[in-house]
Amino acid sequence: GAVVSQHPSWVICKSGTSVKIECRSLDFQATTMFWYRQFPKKSLMLMATSNEGSKATYEQGVEKDKFLINHASLTLSTLTVTSAHPEDSSFYICSARAGQGGETQYFGPGTRLLVL
Amino acid sequence: GNSVTQMEGPVTLSEEAFLTINCTYTATGYPSLFWYVQYPGEGLQLLLKATKADDKGSNKGFEATYRKETTSFHLEKGSVQVSDSAVYFCALSEGASGTYKYIFGTGTRLKVLA
Repeated sequence: GAVVSQHPSWVICKSGTSVKIECRSLDFQATTMFWYRQFPKKSLMLMATSNEGSKATYEQGVEKDKFLINHASLTLSTLTVTSAHPEDSSFYICSARAGQGGETQYFGPGTRLLVL
Repeated sequence: GNSVTQMEGPVTLSEEAFLTINCTYTATGYPSLFWYVQYPGEGLQLLLKATKADDKGSNKGFEATYRKETTSFHLEKGSVQVSDSAVYFCALSEGASGTYKYIFGTGTRLKVLA
């Protein structure tokens, strides 16, 4: 149980284009989803927290117009990297937390983005 | 603010050696504590957790005890295998805001040699 999927697993795009990454909780309802960014050999940096049906809360320094997050249902959240540039190349990981007070986050397998 | 400190890696061990990865934290209140493992090119997998002082989390031969008096949650395994080679992250959950955001340590890379 508690499986989180991400799609795509990797993507290569040209500079200036937008890329959408999907995060799905497959066997539970996720009231809260989190989006992280991980640089090579570094820890995870929390980008934003999203609750179903409401606007995402972004961490300081994360551009909300650059990284659009939508959490339209209890099983799906999307991250759109708009007008991507090479510096946006990274490993993006989502996680999901079930409702009813559960603290444990379940992580997706990650999406590797390369912007040329 | 809350923080998690992990020992610097990489840690290189021979197969069947004893493993300890240190993790200490600072927090207001009583956070839950977690260990996650990340294999190359993958996301994080929950390894074990503890939600209150003196709790011991265990899984796949790994153990960690929530020590409030030393604010620690050290990860241990009695006999490591090559397949344990990965990066291990210690994390605490900030529950006060209701969002349960995680604070992660920097991660410790473990390499086990056959």
